[in-house]
Amino acid sequence: AQTVTQSQPEMSVQEAETVTLSCTYDTSESDYYLFWYKQPPSRQMILVIRQEAYKQQNATENRFSVNFQKAAKSFSLKISDSQLGDAAMYFCAYMGETSGSRLTFGEGTQLTVNP
Amino acid sequence: DAGITQSPRHKVTETGTPVTLRCHQTENHRYMYWYRQDPGHGLRLIHYSYGVKDTDKGEVSDGYSVSRSKTEDFLLTLESATSSQTSVYFCAISGGLAGSYNEQFFGPGTRLTVL
Repeated sequence: AQTVTQSQPEMSVQEAETVTLSCTYDTSESDYYLFWYKQPPSRQMILVIRQEAYKQQNATENRFSVNFQKAAKSFSLKISDSQLGDAAMYFCAYMGETSGSRLTFGEGTQLTVNP
Repeated sequence: DAGITQSPRHKVTETGTPVTLRCHQTENHRYMYWYRQDPGHGLRLIHYSYGVKDTDKGEVSDGYSVSRSKTEDFLLTLESATSSQTSVYFCAISGGLAGSYNEQFFGPGTRLTVL
């Protein structure tokens, strides 16, 4: 079974600075997708960024980028120029080629942004 | 945003009572999912559906049943609620006409408290 681990239960960053959230996963599949979801206090789950395993290029969405290391099974999220609105719980998630579009989530990292 | 609603949004019930949560979508997506969110565990899959009357178990299915009699509705039933089922429940959908099976869209969540 696939597992996803987020080793940082809490992180904090100063406004305008950069922060990196860590995620590792375990799988025997060769093709899969990785995701970062954001959950603000409203509880809504918002997709931040998606990475396809067969693509070597790291995904980028505005201030959000990932560092995808397939051999190391690592998928970290970098938030640049942090804003107060980035404060949220962040979840890393995995979807395998044989999983029927099911997601496996990590435990989450609570990000605080200090003014 | 995908049209997904959950009802009720909040519910308090007593141990031993039956509870049904409803997920309704207006997007004609094929797949529907029920997750529960608990501190320290992220989101965990309870059951999912890959079509009308086609359902399967997730990783935490004990004590839960589901039904999908039409494309737009996916019901989650707790036959006899227990305090361990106190949680926030999320519905998600994927696989719309654009064939986006690798992205899930989430509902707003239902907070269930079992006393």
